[in-house]
Amino acid sequence: DIQMTQSPSTLSASVGDKVTITCRASQSISSWLAWYQQKPGKVPKLLIYKASSLQNGVPSRFSGSGSETEFTLTISSLQPDDFATYYCQQYSSYSSFGPGTKVDIK
Amino acid sequence: EVQVLESGGGLVQPGGSLRLSCAASGFSFSSSAMSWVRQAPGKGLKWVSSISDGSTYYADSVKGRFTISRDNSKNTLYLQMSNLRAEDTALYYCARTTVITGPFDNWGQGTLVTVSS
Repeated sequence: DIQMTQSPSTLSASVGDKVTITCRASQSISSWLAWYQQKPGKVPKLLIYKASSLQNGVPSRFSGSGSETEFTLTISSLQPDDFATYYCQQYSSYSSFGPGTKVDIK
Repeated sequence: EVQVLESGGGLVQPGGSLRLSCAASGFSFSSSAMSWVRQAPGKGLKWVSSISDGSTYYADSVKGRFTISRDNSKNTLYLQMSNLRAEDTALYYCARTTVITGPFDNWGQGTLVTVSS
């Protein structure tokens, strides 16, 4: 099984900050990685797929990068709507999610 | 508009069974992979199972206990769950799946399964 880890587990930031979340896979997954945003009580929302492709309708301040075992999600300028929990997901071999990174208000 | 709507959740005793359904509309269901993802209260997302072109895939934690299936004539996805355990308690989401087991681009609102005596 491929294990996914994320860091940090919690991130405190202010509106306008640049935010970076890291996701690591226990073995190479090429670029078969997605990122999701989930707000409390809401359904997860797909942000990024294939490591760096922006899902339709997602603001361009979100970007993804990386390959093989190390990936990053970057929010270039944090907006009030972006305070949420973010999950990475590999779909190279079956599927698995990272534990999540909560972005809260500093 | 793409929509998926889960149903069938409820309270079940340990060792019991339950069948979840997911009604899909607004897209070509028969040509789409579909998946189940669960989220225990206050916890993270966990992939459960996916189905694509008749092939099925399961997380180790549910293999042998859960069965995913679909009825393309009814645009409906199912998850038959048996030998349920307390740790299966979660909100179960149905999701349209882009490539076999991910990513998930459209999610339902979820149906809650509680396993408790």
